[in-house]
Amino acid sequence: SQQGEEDPQALSIQEGENATMNCSYKTSINNLQWYRQNSGRGLVHLILIRSNEREKHSGRLRVTLDTSKKSSSLLITASRAADTASYFCATDAKETSGSRLTFGEGTQLTVNP
Amino acid sequence: DAGVIQSPRHEVTEMGQEVTLRCKPISGHDYLFWYRQTMMRGLELLIYFNNNVPIDDSGMPEDRFSAKMPNASFSTLKIQPSEPRDSAVYFCATGPSYNSPLHFGNGTRLTVT
Repeated sequence: SQQGEEDPQALSIQEGENATMNCSYKTSINNLQWYRQNSGRGLVHLILIRSNEREKHSGRLRVTLDTSKKSSSLLITASRAADTASYFCATDAKETSGSRLTFGEGTQLTVNP
Repeated sequence: DAGVIQSPRHEVTEMGQEVTLRCKPISGHDYLFWYRQTMMRGLELLIYFNNNVPIDDSGMPEDRFSAKMPNASFSTLKIQPSEPRDSAVYFCATGPSYNSPLHFGNGTRLTVT
């Protein structure tokens, strides 16, 4: 099964509202990354948070990481219609040798204008 | 920077035919990954290369799949013979170093009839 599991699977909000997506994982990690995927396109990296960090900001994005609960959240503030996309968390597990990101199943976010 | 370039964008073929997917990585990125995305299984890592050398091909589904990276600017993923269950979007992604965020191409949508 996937290392990361996003919650909820789908989220529909109005423009201007905040959107929160959660990710849970199973093993110890080096870092956790969030990606966005627009329909018909490749994934785009949004933000990386290391295992020794608890919170990180980038523009309207805020990511938290709780390694004791093996969970992360992505908050998008003041959402826009252009934020409509699928959002994936990806974990870099400590046990695996080499470089091997494992992606969750994603949250489909719809921002209604 | 043109980003990761994949070709073709769409491929429709009949069962039993050979399919070759192509990827041109970002110059200077030493890591190259091939992923497959389906609704049922999400994003799966098939194989990755470091400095043109295959490091982990444990995700390759079976012997019908093969990948090569003859030089730093080109990689191929070949399926021979193709089957309907191979229908998916195949992504190439690259990164400059170990555990760095990945840059994805826009994928090849493969349909095997």
